[in-house]
Amino acid sequence: KQEVTQIPAALSVPEGENLVLNCSFTDSAIYNLQWFRQDPGKGLTSLLLIQSSQREQTSGRLNASLDKSSGRSTLYIAASQPGDSATYLCAVRHSDYKLSFGAGTTVTVRA
Amino acid sequence: DTAVSQTPKYLVTQMGNDKSIKCEQNLGHDTMYWYKQDSKKFLKIMFSYNNKELIINETVPNRFSPKSPDKAHLNLHINSLELGDSAVYFCASSRTSGGATDTQYFGPGTRLTVL
Repeated sequence: KQEVTQIPAALSVPEGENLVLNCSFTDSAIYNLQWFRQDPGKGLTSLLLIQSSQREQTSGRLNASLDKSSGRSTLYIAASQPGDSATYLCAVRHSDYKLSFGAGTTVTVRA
Repeated sequence: DTAVSQTPKYLVTQMGNDKSIKCEQNLGHDTMYWYKQDSKKFLKIMFSYNNKELIINETVPNRFSPKSPDKAHLNLHINSLELGDSAVYFCASSRTSGGATDTQYFGPGTRLTVL
């Protein structure tokens, strides 16, 4: 059974600092890995999707890396802004279509 | 235009009641999902339908019954509600069930509180 762990559970940084969010998973036989953002009281928004054959994906200030063999992914957010405050969820997808989610990292960026 | 919509947004009800949550997507996707997010914030898959056919059915009490009248709708009916059913329920959709680049689009969630 796949277990997805996200560390740290919460993070508070001053504006402008770079953010590093970690995700680890126990079963490396994944189809892809996705990072989502969840704002309070709202649904999830997909940020980046990395296929199992890829090492990283970039979108604007966001960069996600994937090391499938060691079961790790890292989400980097450069030059953080208060609008980046949210919960970030990592999810791994299996060949049976299921997504397994981590519990998330709650980020607060202080102005 | 809302891509994935759910109704109601909030649902407060008594134990033992039967309730339904509706979900609609206007993205033309083939696959839809129901997730449950508990108080510890873990999101867990409950069901998935692809073109109105059930493809994922996790270990969920049979009091929960999904229904897909067409591929744009996936409703969730819950019988005999229990306190432990209190959670946020999210609907999601994806273009297909099998694509390596298919991301899932989520609705805003329905917060169910059972008293």
